Amino acid sequence: DGGITQSPKYLFRKEGQNVTLSCEQNLNHDAMYWYRQDPGQGLRLIYYSQIVNDFQKGDIAEGYSVSREKKESFPLTVTSAQKNPTAFYLCASSSPGQARYGYTFGSGTRLTVV
Amino acid sequence: QQQVKQSPQSLIVQKGGISIINCAYENTAFDYFPWYQQFPGKGPALLIAIRPDVSEKKEGRFTISFNKSAKQFSLHIMDSQPGDSATYFCAASSRSGNQFYFGTGTSLTVIP
Repeated sequence: DGGITQSPKYLFRKEGQNVTLSCEQNLNHDAMYWYRQDPGQGLRLIYYSQIVNDFQKGDIAEGYSVSREKKESFPLTVTSAQKNPTAFYLCASSSPGQARYGYTFGSGTRLTVV
Repeated sequence: QQQVKQSPQSLIVQKGGISIINCAYENTAFDYFPWYQQFPGKGPALLIAIRPDVSEKKEGRFTISFNKSAKQFSLHIMDSQPGDSATYFCAASSRSGNQFYFGTGTSLTVIP
């Protein structure tokens, strides 16, 4: 089955640590996105990538970094500079020219600072 | 600022009733308006979408009503069922844009 796989489902981070969230898709989609979801705030765009080796900042990129070395993979690193990282993180993808017609989302990673 | 404003934040409806969720936008460049459904611990899934050249779109029990002049659109869930209990997000995008702008979500609970 084609889809987006996010791992891990739950992640705990200690203060000052960097952690990396994995996102893999087998849909042959060119564009990939990372969103952060907080209660009452909806989905906010962190980073997006439309092609391999290229990515752009979204609305809340500070404290996060990404890479896009392969079409299938778009990992997100939450750095120690992110002051409030506890949230539900969603990865999404879309096919060329179809981004405006909707995303396919992964099942998310819930990150908690301990 | 919030590009798409959604209300209410939460909604409780009796089984068989009609659930109505409203969204409003300001950017007249928006020309595609999807609704997503999200169950706890899962990612959102596309439910239904509309373009501004029509005023209504219906798929089964789900209907989008669109008012271009008022820059508002709404989701109506007819004969609401407990299985419809989820969080619903409206969204908007423009032809020239690279992303969707999401509303803040509505948590729907359908009571048996």
